[in-house]
Amino acid sequence: EAQVTQNPRYLITVTGKKLTVTCSQNMNHEYMSWYRQDPGLGLRQIYYSMNVEVTDKGDVPEGYKVSRKEKRNFPLILESPSPNQTSLYFCASRPGLVNEQFFGPGTRLTVL
Amino acid sequence: QQQVKQSPQSLIVQKGGIPIINCAYENTAFDYFPWYQQFPGKGPALLIAIRPDVSEKKEGRFTISFNKSAKQFSLHIMDSQPGDSATYFCAASTQSNYQLIWGAGTKLIIKP
Repeated sequence: EAQVTQNPRYLITVTGKKLTVTCSQNMNHEYMSWYRQDPGLGLRQIYYSMNVEVTDKGDVPEGYKVSRKEKRNFPLILESPSPNQTSLYFCASRPGLVNEQFFGPGTRLTVL
Repeated sequence: QQQVKQSPQSLIVQKGGIPIINCAYENTAFDYFPWYQQFPGKGPALLIAIRPDVSEKKEGRFTISFNKSAKQFSLHIMDSQPGDSATYFCAASTQSNYQLIWGAGTKLIIKP
């Protein structure tokens, strides 16, 4: 089944404890991105990647890191999480020059 | 100029009614306007999309109306059902970079 998977789905952590949210897609898509979803703010892009080893900042990159060492994986790293990073996070992918994005199921992160 | 403004933020409609969600944009370079549907606990999924060379597009009970001169587009759901209850996002992008600019979302509840 073609899909985008994220892990974990739910995470509660404390301020300053480094964490990684994994994202993997099995559709051989070039483009991957991370979003955070907050009430009233919709989807805001954190980082995106056009292909392996090519990443760029989205609209709200502060406090996040990403890497793209393999085409299928695009992990999101929070080196020192803070409470304002409590949010619902989505990974998405699409083929290179196509508009439709395919989203993962989301990761709900709570930083205490 | 990159924003997409979506209204209303929330909407409650009786079963069988026609909810209408509106979006407005400023960037005249936008040439692709999708609507995504998101059910609780799931990632957004493409529902229907339109390009500016047509004024209306229908897919089943869902219709996009597009007004190029007013720089507005809207989603209509005919004969709405409780199963249509979800959050709906409009978005826009250009063919030059395919980056989606998202509206803030509308939480739609269809009452039985």
